[in-house]
Amino acid sequence: DIQMTQSPSSLSASVGDRVTITCQASQDISNYLNWYQQKPGKAPKLLIYDASNLETGVPSRFSGSGSGTDFTFAISSLQPEDIATYYCQQYDSLPTFGQGTRLEIK
Amino acid sequence: QVQLQESGPGLVQPSQTLSLTCSVSGGSISSGNFYWNWIRQPAGKGLEWIGRIHANGSTNFNPSLKSRVTISVDTSNTQFSLELSSVTAADTAVYYCARDLRSAYCGGDCYFDAFAFWGQGTVLTVSS
Repeated sequence: DIQMTQSPSSLSASVGDRVTITCQASQDISNYLNWYQQKPGKAPKLLIYDASNLETGVPSRFSGSGSGTDFTFAISSLQPEDIATYYCQQYDSLPTFGQGTRLEIK
Repeated sequence: QVQLQESGPGLVQPSQTLSLTCSVSGGSISSGNFYWNWIRQPAGKGLEWIGRIHANGSTNFNPSLKSRVTISVDTSNTQFSLELSSVTAADTAVYYCARDLRSAYCGGDCYFDAFAFWGQGTVLTVSS
């Protein structure tokens, strides 16, 4: 299995801050990397696919970058509704997820 | 817009077989060239992909669960199901069904994809 390591595991930031989350794969996965947002009691929501493509309807303050083994997810200006847990997921082989990053408002 | 909804018993006894169904609306399973997935999440923990099925019956499974998992498509082509045998407390989780973002693309094997459409999840507890 390809292991996905996210950091940090939790993050506290203020409204308007730029927030970044990193995800590292245990082997080269090219750009086969997606990012999801999960709010409490809800299903995950796809935000970014193929490392950097914004899913339809997702606000442009969300972005993704990277290839190979190192990837970054960013929120350019944190909004109150962005409070959630964020997961990366690789699909170069059988899908696996990172352990999640819990984002809180400071 | 495709919509998915899981249903299941809520409670299963240890060593029994759990059966969950995902109902698809806004299109049939056979109307597109997509894979349909099962994913689970224990309370307070991360996400684990269980397996997937295509309308043509092709399946892939997580090796850690493969010996206990069956995924099938209903003849109505509006439902697909998950069976997990010999359950233990470790199988207690929220179970989600989800559809791939894009039509299946296959070389020798069929590539995996992002999960674009999700059900709301169904809670399954294994307890006597």
